[in-house]
Amino acid sequence: DADVTQTPRNRITKTGKRIMLECSQTKGHDRMYWYRQDPGLGLRLIYYSFDVKDINKGEISDGYSVSRQAQAKFSLSLESAIPNQTALYFCATSDVPGRKGLGANVLTFGAGSRLTVL
Amino acid sequence: SQQGEEDPQALSIQEGENATMNCSYKTSINNLQWYRQNSGRGLVHLILIRSNEREKHSGRLRVTLDTSKKSSSLLITASRAADTASYFCATGESSNTGKLIFGQGTTLQVKP
Repeated sequence: DADVTQTPRNRITKTGKRIMLECSQTKGHDRMYWYRQDPGLGLRLIYYSFDVKDINKGEISDGYSVSRQAQAKFSLSLESAIPNQTALYFCATSDVPGRKGLGANVLTFGAGSRLTVL
Repeated sequence: SQQGEEDPQALSIQEGENATMNCSYKTSINNLQWYRQNSGRGLVHLILIRSNEREKHSGRLRVTLDTSKKSSSLLITASRAADTASYFCATGESSNTGKLIFGQGTTLQVKP
C-alpha cells in the first residue's frame, strides 16, 4: 500500500457542487499539505497542517477549506466548485524537521487527484 | 507568487548525454530540494542541499547552490530514457517554517 493515499484519483463534477478530496498516510508524519498543480504554474500550496490542531493557509486558499481529522487524515473541500479549480491536487506529508537530523521538510507525495469542474 | 523560476522549461537530449536544469529563487532560503515527477504522477524527492552547502552528489545527480546568485543547478549525467520526467526545484524558507515553495518545473525528454 502507498504511504500517502488520495481518494478519489479522478473526479468530474459540475459547477456549484461540493467536493471533498481525502488524504490518508501511514508515514506517521505530523505535517500534511495540499498542493494544486496547473500546467505551466508548478505546484502551489493551498493549506498545510503541522499537527491536528494547527491549520494554516497557503498561497491560494480562497475557495478551499480543510479538515485534519486525525494525525493520519487531512481532507480538502471545495464548498462550491468552479471551473478554474480544475487541476491536479496533491497531498503530501513530512516529518518534523530535526527529528531525524534532516533539519528540513522532505515531502512524500500522494499519487494525485485529478479534478475536472464543468 | 512562485519562488522558483526554472530554466529551461523543456529540454530534449539523446540517451547518454548530460542534462542540466537551473533554478533561481527570490528570498533567503534554509535549503533547496529537487523533485522528479513522472507524467501525471506524484512527485518524488531526489536530493536536498542546505544553504551552507555548495555542491552535493547522489548517484548520477549533481546539485550546486550559489546563494549569492540565488540559483541552483541539477545535473543528470549519462542520461537514460527512464530519466524522462519533469523536474522541480523547491525552496525551504530561511525562517524554517517548514513550507516548501515549488518552481514551475523543467520537462526533460531523453530519446533512446
